[in-house]
Amino acid sequence: GAGVSQSPRYKVAKRGQDVALRCDPISGHVSLFWYQQALGQGPEFLTYFQNEAQLDKSGLPSDRFFAERPEGSVSTLKIQRTQQEDSAVYLCASSLGGGYTFGSGTRLTVV
Amino acid sequence: AQSVTQPDIHITVSEGASLELRCNYSYGATPYLFWYVQSPGQGLQLLLKYFSGDTLVQGIKGFEAEFKRSQSSFNLRKPSVHWSDAAEYFCAANLGGSGGYQKVTFGIGTKLQVIP
Repeated sequence: GAGVSQSPRYKVAKRGQDVALRCDPISGHVSLFWYQQALGQGPEFLTYFQNEAQLDKSGLPSDRFFAERPEGSVSTLKIQRTQQEDSAVYLCASSLGGGYTFGSGTRLTVV
Repeated sequence: AQSVTQPDIHITVSEGASLELRCNYSYGATPYLFWYVQSPGQGLQLLLKYFSGDTLVQGIKGFEAEFKRSQSSFNLRKPSVHWSDAAEYFCAANLGGSGGYQKVTFGIGTKLQVIP
């Protein structure tokens, strides 16, 4: 597609619920990144894929967070047993080099 | 530690006035540098980037930024601000690796308010 598409735009989850956030990158973009942006903060790196390979997951805050990109295109960020501190905007970006193109993000609210 | 610092959390300027948003980085070499803008409820849009070469880079929407190695800075400027420029601005840097493939570290952001 023309841009990076993320769904859903908004997600409200009850504490303890599992959630799955989807990212559809720009077609042909090799690199895909997930960032977490808490209220009033800059985006914080979560994980990076080059095609289907997850090359860096150093930013995932706990083992409740899991990301995959099985066919090297669409990616899913899964959060298990959500907690209130997981409330944030989750941004996906793709790149072919020279800067990222970001999606509009998924705003997750854990209640 | 490698980091990106935006010392101004909030800036207010009058419409038509000039603007400079500050950004400093801490890194042992010259990183790749970026400025992004984020409007409320939106994703991040790339304004401009510096990889090498001319230290004054032009971006979209009339913005420019100057890389100063001696000051480890990459300040964003605009000669005349428009009301539509009100948004949050993020400085970012690739503090390792090459090209845009490595993770980019963001500053905390500067929220720009424009008054008539």
